[in-house]
Amino acid sequence: GIQVEQSPPDLILQEGANSTLRCNFSDSVNNLQWFHQNPWGQLINLFYIPSGTKQNGRLSATTVATERYSLLYISSSQTTDSGVYFCAGIKAAGNKLTFGGGTRVLVKP
Amino acid sequence: DTAVSQTPKYLVTQMGNDKSIKCEQNLGHDTMYWYKQDSKKFLKIMFSYNNKELIINETVPNRFSPKSPDKAHLNLHINSLELGDSAVYFCASSRGTVPYEQYFGPGTRLTVT
Repeated sequence: GIQVEQSPPDLILQEGANSTLRCNFSDSVNNLQWFHQNPWGQLINLFYIPSGTKQNGRLSATTVATERYSLLYISSSQTTDSGVYFCAGIKAAGNKLTFGGGTRVLVKP
Repeated sequence: DTAVSQTPKYLVTQMGNDKSIKCEQNLGHDTMYWYKQDSKKFLKIMFSYNNKELIINETVPNRFSPKSPDKAHLNLHINSLELGDSAVYFCASSRGTVPYEQYFGPGTRLTVT
Protein backbone atom coordinates (compact mmCIF):
# COMPACT_ATOMS: atom_id res chain seq x y z
CA GLY A 1 0.00 0.00 0.00
CA ILE A 2 0.92 3.65 -0.09
CA GLN A 3 2.72 5.53 2.67
CA VAL A 4 1.40 8.92 3.74
CA GLU A 5 3.62 11.33 5.63
CA GLN A 6 2.39 14.53 7.18
CA SER A 7 4.44 17.45 8.43
CA PRO A 8 4.88 19.02 10.81
CA PRO A 9 3.61 16.56 13.41
CA ASP A 10 2.76 19.41 15.78
CA LEU A 11 2.03 23.08 15.26
CA ILE A 12 1.36 25.81 17.80
CA LEU A 13 -0.06 29.03 16.40
CA GLN A 14 -1.02 32.37 17.78
CA GLU A 15 -4.55 33.34 16.83
CA GLY A 16 -4.49 35.23 13.55
CA ALA A 17 -1.40 33.50 12.19
CA ASN A 18 -1.23 31.67 8.88
CA SER A 19 0.20 28.19 8.42
CA THR A 20 0.82 25.47 5.88
CA LEU A 21 0.49 21.73 6.47
CA ARG A 22 2.03 19.25 4.08
CA CYS A 23 1.18 15.74 3.01
CA ASN A 24 3.53 13.53 0.95
CA PHE A 25 2.56 10.28 -0.73
CA SER A 26 4.89 7.40 -1.59
CA ASP A 27 2.95 6.62 -4.76
CA SER A 28 0.51 8.27 -7.11
CA VAL A 29 -2.96 8.78 -5.74
CA ASN A 30 -6.08 9.69 -7.65
CA ASN A 31 -8.19 10.41 -4.60
CA LEU A 32 -6.91 12.73 -1.89
CA GLN A 33 -8.88 14.09 1.03
CA TRP A 34 -8.22 16.35 4.01
CA PHE A 35 -10.02 15.92 7.32
CA HIS A 36 -10.15 17.86 10.57
CA GLN A 37 -10.62 16.06 13.87
CA ASN A 38 -11.81 18.57 16.44
CA PRO A 39 -10.86 18.35 20.14
CA TRP A 40 -14.10 16.43 20.79
CA GLY A 41 -13.05 13.74 18.35
CA GLN A 42 -15.39 14.45 15.46
CA LEU A 43 -13.86 13.91 12.01
CA ILE A 44 -14.99 16.35 9.36
CA ASN A 45 -14.24 16.10 5.67
CA LEU A 46 -12.62 19.36 4.57
CA PHE A 47 -11.65 18.76 0.96
CA TYR A 48 -11.72 16.17 -1.75
CA ILE A 49 -8.81 17.38 -3.87
CA PRO A 50 -7.06 14.91 -6.20
CA SER A 51 -5.44 17.82 -8.04
CA GLY A 52 -5.55 21.59 -8.28
CA THR A 53 -6.62 24.10 -5.66
CA LYS A 54 -9.81 24.54 -3.67
CA GLN A 55 -10.84 27.10 -1.11
CA ASN A 56 -13.38 26.97 1.67
CA GLY A 57 -13.44 30.09 3.80
CA ARG A 58 -10.11 30.51 5.55
CA LEU A 59 -8.94 27.07 4.46
CA SER A 60 -7.54 26.18 1.10
CA ALA A 61 -5.81 23.13 -0.28
CA THR A 62 -3.54 22.48 -3.22
CA THR A 63 -2.54 19.11 -4.61
CA VAL A 64 0.31 18.61 -7.07
CA ALA A 65 -0.47 15.08 -8.16
CA THR A 66 2.60 14.70 -10.39
CA GLU A 67 4.86 15.42 -7.42
CA ARG A 68 2.75 13.41 -4.96
CA TYR A 69 2.06 16.05 -2.36
CA SER A 70 -0.72 18.20 -1.06
CA LEU A 71 -0.76 21.34 1.06
CA LEU A 72 -3.42 22.66 3.40
CA TYR A 73 -3.35 26.39 4.17
CA ILE A 74 -4.95 27.88 7.25
CA SER A 75 -5.22 31.64 7.12
CA SER A 76 -6.05 33.96 10.02
CA SER A 77 -6.21 30.97 12.37
CA GLN A 78 -8.82 30.85 15.10
CA THR A 79 -8.97 28.78 18.28
CA THR A 80 -11.69 26.68 16.66
CA ASP A 81 -9.10 25.52 14.11
CA SER A 82 -7.38 23.50 16.85
CA GLY A 83 -7.39 19.76 16.46
CA VAL A 84 -5.73 17.19 14.26
CA TYR A 85 -5.59 17.52 10.49
CA PHE A 86 -5.37 14.34 8.48
CA CYS A 87 -4.75 13.78 4.82
CA ALA A 88 -5.67 10.49 3.22
CA GLY A 89 -5.32 9.04 -0.23
CA ILE A 90 -6.29 6.13 -2.44
CA LYS A 91 -3.90 4.81 -5.04
CA ALA A 92 -5.06 4.28 -8.59
CA ALA A 93 -7.49 1.35 -8.93
CA GLY A 94 -7.73 1.13 -5.16
CA ASN A 95 -10.76 1.60 -2.94
CA LYS A 96 -9.46 2.23 0.57
CA LEU A 97 -8.25 5.44 2.13
CA THR A 98 -4.80 5.36 3.73
CA PHE A 99 -4.38 8.05 6.35
CA GLY A 100 -1.31 9.99 7.35
CA GLY A 101 -0.31 10.32 10.98
CA GLY A 102 -1.88 13.76 11.28
CA THR A 103 -0.72 17.24 12.22
CA ARG A 104 -1.79 18.35 15.69
CA VAL A 105 -2.62 22.05 15.62
CA LEU A 106 -3.12 24.20 18.70
CA VAL A 107 -4.23 27.78 18.17
CA LYS A 108 -3.68 29.95 21.21
CA PRO A 109 -5.83 33.02 21.89
CA ASP B 1 -30.63 15.00 11.55
CA THR B 2 -27.36 13.24 12.32
CA ALA B 3 -25.82 11.93 9.10
CA VAL B 4 -23.79 9.04 10.55
CA SER B 5 -24.62 7.95 14.08
CA GLN B 6 -23.01 5.38 16.35
CA THR B 7 -24.06 3.79 19.60
CA PRO B 8 -22.80 3.66 22.21
CA LYS B 9 -20.48 6.67 22.41
CA TYR B 10 -18.54 5.16 25.28
CA LEU B 11 -18.07 1.52 26.15
CA VAL B 12 -16.15 0.29 29.18
CA THR B 13 -15.91 -3.44 29.62
CA GLN B 14 -13.72 -6.19 31.00
CA MET B 15 -11.37 -8.49 29.17
CA GLY B 16 -13.05 -11.53 27.76
CA ASN B 17 -16.46 -9.94 27.28
CA ASP B 18 -18.31 -9.67 23.95
CA LYS B 19 -19.64 -6.30 22.83
CA SER B 20 -21.28 -4.69 19.81
CA ILE B 21 -21.19 -1.23 18.30
CA LYS B 22 -23.96 -0.06 15.98
CA CYS B 23 -23.80 2.42 13.13
CA GLU B 24 -26.52 3.98 11.01
CA GLN B 25 -26.36 6.51 8.19
CA ASN B 26 -29.21 8.50 6.65
CA LEU B 27 -27.25 9.94 3.73
CA GLY B 28 -28.42 7.38 1.22
CA HIS B 29 -24.86 6.12 0.79
CA ASP B 30 -24.27 2.56 -0.29
CA THR B 31 -20.86 1.97 1.27
CA MET B 32 -20.03 1.89 4.97
CA TYR B 33 -16.75 1.46 6.82
CA TRP B 34 -15.26 0.70 10.20
CA TYR B 35 -12.02 2.40 11.23
CA LYS B 36 -9.91 1.99 14.35
CA GLN B 37 -8.08 4.98 15.81
CA ASP B 38 -5.37 4.07 18.30
CA SER B 39 -4.04 6.10 21.22
CA LYS B 40 -1.60 7.90 18.90
CA LYS B 41 -4.51 9.01 16.71
CA PHE B 42 -3.51 6.73 13.86
CA LEU B 43 -6.54 5.80 11.73
CA LYS B 44 -6.71 2.47 9.98
CA ILE B 45 -9.50 0.91 7.99
CA MET B 46 -10.86 -2.40 9.22
CA PHE B 47 -13.84 -3.29 7.04
CA SER B 48 -16.02 -1.92 4.30
CA TYR B 49 -19.43 -3.02 3.03
CA ASN B 50 -21.10 -2.01 -0.21
CA ASN B 51 -24.82 -2.79 -0.43
CA LYS B 52 -24.45 -5.36 2.36
CA GLU B 53 -21.50 -7.04 0.64
CA LEU B 54 -18.06 -7.12 2.29
CA ILE B 55 -15.55 -5.42 -0.02
CA ILE B 56 -12.66 -4.55 2.30
CA ASN B 57 -11.43 -6.88 5.01
CA GLU B 58 -8.10 -5.80 6.41
CA THR B 59 -5.85 -7.89 8.60
CA VAL B 60 -8.07 -7.84 11.65
CA PRO B 61 -8.38 -10.62 14.28
CA ASN B 62 -11.36 -12.83 13.55
CA ARG B 63 -12.75 -11.85 16.95
CA PHE B 64 -14.05 -8.81 15.04
CA SER B 65 -17.10 -9.54 12.93
CA PRO B 66 -18.95 -6.87 10.98
CA LYS B 67 -22.57 -7.28 9.94
CA SER B 68 -24.59 -5.19 7.55
CA PRO B 69 -28.32 -5.93 7.70
CA ASP B 70 -29.00 -3.28 5.05
CA LYS B 71 -27.04 -0.56 3.32
CA ALA B 72 -27.92 2.02 5.99
CA HIS B 73 -26.59 -0.03 8.90
CA LEU B 74 -23.25 -1.55 9.77
CA ASN B 75 -22.57 -3.16 13.12
CA LEU B 76 -19.34 -4.38 14.65
CA HIS B 77 -19.29 -7.29 17.06
CA ILE B 78 -16.16 -8.03 19.06
CA ASN B 79 -15.69 -11.33 20.87
CA SER B 80 -13.35 -12.06 23.76
CA LEU B 81 -12.21 -8.47 24.17
CA GLU B 82 -8.54 -7.83 24.87
CA LEU B 83 -6.70 -4.87 26.37
CA GLY B 84 -5.27 -4.02 22.94
CA ASP B 85 -8.75 -3.53 21.55
CA SER B 86 -9.04 -0.30 23.51
CA ALA B 87 -9.38 2.44 20.91
CA VAL B 88 -11.88 4.74 19.26
CA TYR B 89 -13.89 3.01 16.55
CA PHE B 90 -15.31 5.16 13.78
CA CYS B 91 -18.01 4.29 11.36
CA ALA B 92 -18.05 6.12 8.02
CA SER B 93 -20.03 6.11 4.82
CA SER B 94 -19.63 7.22 1.23
CA ARG B 95 -21.33 6.95 -2.12
CA GLY B 96 -19.96 4.22 -4.36
CA THR B 97 -17.16 1.77 -3.66
CA VAL B 98 -14.46 4.44 -4.04
CA PRO B 99 -14.91 7.02 -1.26
CA TYR B 100 -14.74 10.39 -3.02
CA GLU B 101 -16.11 12.02 0.09
CA GLN B 102 -16.28 10.10 3.30
CA TYR B 103 -18.48 11.07 6.22
CA PHE B 104 -17.62 9.89 9.71
CA GLY B 105 -19.70 9.09 12.74
CA PRO B 106 -18.86 10.56 16.16
CA GLY B 107 -16.85 7.52 17.22
CA THR B 108 -17.17 4.95 19.99
CA ARG B 109 -14.48 5.03 22.65
CA LEU B 110 -13.93 1.45 23.79
CA THR B 111 -11.98 0.87 26.99
CA VAL B 112 -11.13 -2.70 27.97
CA THR B 113 -10.02 -3.18 31.58
